Amino acid sequence: EGQLVESGGDLVKPGGSLRLSCAASGFTFTSFPMNWVRQAPGKGLEWVSSIGTGISGYKYYADSVRGRFTISRDNAQSSHYLHMDSLTAEDTALYYCAAGDFLLSNSLDFWGRGTLVTVSS
Amino acid sequence: QSVLTQPPSMSAAPGQKVTISCSGSFSNIGNNYVSWYVLVPGTAPKLLIYENNERPSGIPDRFSGSKSGTSATLDITGLQTGDEADYYCATWDTSLRGGVFGGGTKLTVL
Repeated sequence: EGQLVESGGDLVKPGGSLRLSCAASGFTFTSFPMNWVRQAPGKGLEWVSSIGTGISGYKYYADSVRGRFTISRDNAQSSHYLHMDSLTAEDTALYYCAAGDFLLSNSLDFWGRGTLVTVSS
Repeated sequence: QSVLTQPPSMSAAPGQKVTISCSGSFSNIGNNYVSWYVLVPGTAPKLLIYENNERPSGIPDRFSGSKSGTSATLDITGLQTGDEADYYCATWDTSLRGGVFGGGTKLTVL
């Protein structure tokens, strides 16, 4: 059974930056597209970003984060990342990483428990 | 306002059946697979249904999904108190070039 563990969440001031990490184990990491999904306090799930497999894998972003967030992966480390710049209060959320092909089969097979990002002065 | 529309809440008695709806459009549900997830606060979200009606291993057959046109449904039969949770539909939106989730349905098992 695949396992994902997020880290890097923190309290950051508006305009600040943060990098989230997601460590994967228990499955063939290189075969899975990876994704970030967030849940703001009292709100529902919101898709944030997806990255395909391989060096030239696709990268997609939600309109709300495009130009500010960057997704990446390191297959050698079985990890993927979300670099977040120009953070605002609207980015405050629990950020989940998820493994699976959201684009084609629309399945996020494995999820982590999330890491909390709070943007506040 | 979510791209996919779900009822905010539903309730039913133990042993009964509930159907959660998810309404979208041609660019999302109409042209892509639908998946369903269950979220219990404090735990990792779990995949219940993918590719409209497929169950991952370990998911009981009390859970089933279907899709017709620009709508999808999740059926849960033989409701148990442990089914109380938030349920979300999701799909890809070809026009937005991104993933979309429904607003979530809070299921209460009375």
